[in-house]
Amino acid sequence: DTAVSQTPKYLVTQMGNDKSIKCEQNLGHDTMYWYKQDSKKFLKIMFSYNNKELIINETVPNRFSPKSPDKAHLNLHINSLELGDSAVYFCASSQQTGLEQFFGPGTRLTVL
Amino acid sequence: RKEVEQDPGPFNVPEGATVAFNCTYSNSASQSFFWYRQDCRKEPKLLMSVYSSGNEDGRFTAQLNRASQYISLLIRDSKLSDSATYLCVVHAWGKLQFGAGTQVVVTP
Repeated sequence: DTAVSQTPKYLVTQMGNDKSIKCEQNLGHDTMYWYKQDSKKFLKIMFSYNNKELIINETVPNRFSPKSPDKAHLNLHINSLELGDSAVYFCASSQQTGLEQFFGPGTRLTVL
Repeated sequence: RKEVEQDPGPFNVPEGATVAFNCTYSNSASQSFFWYRQDCRKEPKLLMSVYSSGNEDGRFTAQLNRASQYISLLIRDSKLSDSATYLCVVHAWGKLQFGAGTQVVVTP
């Protein structure tokens, strides 16, 4: 009965590789988000989608490409991984923008 | 200046004591406010929304001061399980801005 799920939970990879993280929510929410939490614990929004449409695209390298095949899914693809991409990536969803957000368990990405 | 600022702590609190901390925000057009709680290596979870008139949820009390642009969280009768990082969250311009968090450590 997980509300927001992400896979994988851990991802260890070499610099230069391409990887994807998947997110699904079964709450019927219209809005989904990707956040990055770095080693300093600061949670920073990367992208937001509302009903499959991109509505927030913060200053993120274009190596990061989100994809929303339907409003219950928001995946994140990262090309040419760099050491600085190592962080925990959280997916979240909310009924509408500005309302309470429900977070997935996070994907801990380590780039070697 | 960061949009949402918090004292990182840690606030070391004896079990049963009261602890309070603030969060300041820079955008006067901010529309809604929340406190989230994040345990070590876990996802953030909503603790409570913050209403203009102030609100209480059990041992937790949240206040909003729009004139001075800050919100506060007070925890009474602290439990060991209250040890966590408390994130101040402000909604403005269609997105939530998270503070870096205040760490609270409740000791026996």
